[in-house]
Amino acid sequence: GESVGLHLPTLSVQEGDNSIINCAYSNSASDYFIWYKQESGKGPQFIIDIRSNMDKRQGQRVTVLLNKTVKHLSLQIAATQPGDSAVYFCAENEGNTDKLIFGTGTRLQVFP
Amino acid sequence: EADIYQTPRYLVIGTGKKITLECSQTMGHDKMYWYQQDPGMELHLIHYSYGVNSTEKGDLSSESTVSRIRTEHFPLTLESARPSHTSQYLCASSAPRQGARETQYFGPGTRLLVL
Repeated sequence: GESVGLHLPTLSVQEGDNSIINCAYSNSASDYFIWYKQESGKGPQFIIDIRSNMDKRQGQRVTVLLNKTVKHLSLQIAATQPGDSAVYFCAENEGNTDKLIFGTGTRLQVFP
Repeated sequence: EADIYQTPRYLVIGTGKKITLECSQTMGHDKMYWYQQDPGMELHLIHYSYGVNSTEKGDLSSESTVSRIRTEHFPLTLESARPSHTSQYLCASSAPRQGARETQYFGPGTRLLVL
């Protein structure tokens, strides 16, 4: 049968445009958040992280925004490139544990 | 970035067979993890270890078992594989980063198909 995973939320953007991927987290006690990128056939790759005492953090072409009031996390990718095509996962962590809770991924498709 | 190796990358096996998925890391990380991931879905923690001789069950119940006899090695074993075990298995390890929380780094995964 068809996998539910084939209905993964998908964001399609044109090469050069900016991408915004959103994530809602569940635990108000979570104080550390990570974005991972997973390309087909590979394990998740760390992109950027943010602690709950911050609301914004920038990396190379990526920015993570944290809104604790509504428990929302977003990943912004500037000047999206074909190599950015992947599934993106957010993960949350509560301070008293090393375990990560992963959200449902978003598939980013970049068109020329 | 951690160097984490998983073997085999792909495995097709018949029901009832015993299998061991290998995971090794060369960074000396104390903490290691096993996740199960169905295609395109979120990762679910099935086992973790804080160091040698430490193993704990994760949030998702699994019929697999793990061992941690050496720091660098964290194998996962299925005593009797079933079609319901078909999935991708991801190994990760973590270490403290200066001024930051421990971050988990992942291996390439093992795709398991049980017929």
